Parts: sequence; structure tokens; C-alpha cells
Amino acid sequence: AQKVTQAQTEISVVEKEDVTLDCVYETRDTTYYLFWYKQPPSGELVFLIRRNSFDEQNEISGRYSWNFQKSTSSFNFTITASQVVDSAVYFCALSEEGANNLFFGTGTRLTVIP
Amino acid sequence: GAGVSQSPRYKVAKRGQDVALRCDPISGHVSLFWYQQALGQGPEFLTYFQNEAQLDKSGLPSDRFFAERPEGSVSTLKIQRTQQEDSAVYLCASSLDSYGYTFGSGTRLTVV
Repeated sequence: AQKVTQAQTEISVVEKEDVTLDCVYETRDTTYYLFWYKQPPSGELVFLIRRNSFDEQNEISGRYSWNFQKSTSSFNFTITASQVVDSAVYFCALSEEGANNLFFGTGTRLTVIP
Repeated sequence: GAGVSQSPRYKVAKRGQDVALRCDPISGHVSLFWYQQALGQGPEFLTYFQNEAQLDKSGLPSDRFFAERPEGSVSTLKIQRTQQEDSAVYLCASSLDSYGYTFGSGTRLTVV
């Protein structure tokens, strides 16, 4: 069975601080895909990244970076020098090979205080 | 269109009423998905279409929920005899391939 755990329900940081959002997953498949989505107050889910299970290279995109570690089944997301516009709910999700859907965690609400 | 469009944006229904939620996917996107997002939770899969074929409806919570995509483009999610537990945001997503799903802004359904 697949499972995604985002243990941090809410995080508050002061602007310009770095923040890491944790994601731990469970799957029996050897081929799977991990995603991060941002959900601002407007409600739509904004795609941030997809990573497949065979690519453990860390990725950096501007102020965003992702740390994928298969040994600990984690796919953590770090925002460097946070900004107020980063305030949103962030979801980690898992999709198994051949599956038709994404399995989401419960999300982490990030509030960046000016 | 430029993105996935959902209508209405908000819907208030009296318990027992039928509702229909519409999703306009990105033009050319073969795959279409419906998700249900309860307050404070992550989205949960309802159903999946590839063109007009509904290939997976394992997430539909009861036989009161019905989805269709007759021409392989616009999709409608229908909920019959709405109950309070149906109150949620209903999200639609479309995809050209399985790389990235584009989500709409959702329909917030409140059953009173």
C-alpha cells in the first residue's frame, strides 16, 4: 500500500529564513514518481517538481531545492530566503508505475511572516 | 485554453439536491482526473478518463457519484442526492502524459 506522510501540519517562518518541508513515503513498487505541489489561497494546485525513483540527484530551482533519499524514503523540500509569496499549503504526492492517480499527503501550511 | 477551467467556482446545495460540476481540460490533453479535497486534507482520487473512456472509477465514494466525458474533452462530475459529507473542493486535472498534471482551481461544494 502506498502512503505519504507530511508530519508538519503548519510552519511559520520570518521572511528571509530558510525552511524545509518534510515528506516521507511508503511504496512496495521499485518504480515510482514523487511530486511536490503548491496550493495558494486561490485553490489551484501548482506543479513544482516530479522526480522518478531512479534519479536520486538533488535538484535546485532558484530558491527551491529538493533532497531525495531512497534510504530513508524521504523527499524533502527546502525554500531558501523565504518570501511572503511562498505562503501556501504544500503537498507531497506519490504515483506508482502504471497507476492512474496521485496519492497525496495531508499537506503542510507554510506562513511566511513579513 | 491556457489552463484547466472549472465551473461553478462555488456551489451551495441543499441536502438531497443533485449537482453537476464541470471541467474544461487543456485542449489536447488526453487524460482527465477528478479529485476530492476535504477541508484540511490532501486531494483524494475519484476517477480517471483517457479520452472518453472512464478507465478507473475506484475512488468514487458511492453510487451517488457519476462522471462522464462523452466527447473526450469536457467532463462533468454529477453527485445525486447530496449529503453533508459531500462538502469538499472538487478538483479536476488534465495531462498530456504522466509527467505533469495541470489542476484547475476547483469547485467548492457546500451541502447545507
